[in-house]
Amino acid sequence: GESVGLHLPTLSVQEGDNSIINCAYSNSASDYFIWYKQESGKGPQFIIDIRSNMDKRQGQRVTVLLNKTVKHLSLQIAATQPGDSAVYFCAENPPRRSSYKLIFGSGTRLLVRP
Amino acid sequence: NAGVTQTPKFQVLKTGQSMTLQCAQDMNHNSMYWYRQDPGMGLRLIYYSASEGTTDKGEVPNGYNVSRLNKREFSLRLESAAPSQTSVYFCASIRGLAGIQETQYFGPGTRLLVL
Repeated sequence: GESVGLHLPTLSVQEGDNSIINCAYSNSASDYFIWYKQESGKGPQFIIDIRSNMDKRQGQRVTVLLNKTVKHLSLQIAATQPGDSAVYFCAENPPRRSSYKLIFGSGTRLLVRP
Repeated sequence: NAGVTQTPKFQVLKTGQSMTLQCAQDMNHNSMYWYRQDPGMGLRLIYYSASEGTTDKGEVPNGYNVSRLNKREFSLRLESAAPSQTSVYFCASIRGLAGIQETQYFGPGTRLLVL
């Protein structure tokens, strides 16, 4: 079936370094992708999204890269801070005739070392 | 503007008991969703409601029922709880306008333990 997966379940980085979290998606027809951040005990929070007609999008300290050729998505966090420690999920939206539904990956835990 | 709210925050049930998880949003969104999240796994869709008056099954609907009470509220009911339903449940909503792709907004979650 359709799936969204992540290469690394846990990523540990030094405070101040850049972080890169990767995600592979399986449906080449997916046309919308989202990164979420989930802190312990909280619901997922939107970070950044990208549509399939783009290959890069930047936000505040975050950049999402989309490589449709290899069906790969990445989230780059610049100057990682302790507050960035969380689980990060990617999600894809395969085109459907009916309602808008997302498929989520299993998540990557980001640990920021002081 | 509270966004998406869920009650209760935490619940312990015995096998066979029933309960209803409540979700409400104040963003005038059309579509609402119920997910469950198990350790080491991503969010899995239980049921969703594309608009008021409609509900549809998601990936893991067995053992659950839903009611879209009005545009604001979408409840999830466990008629006879089982230990396999121990999980964290998230409600989400989205404007749900045709042709517009956008993020879903999530509630804080309900942690359910079934003994």
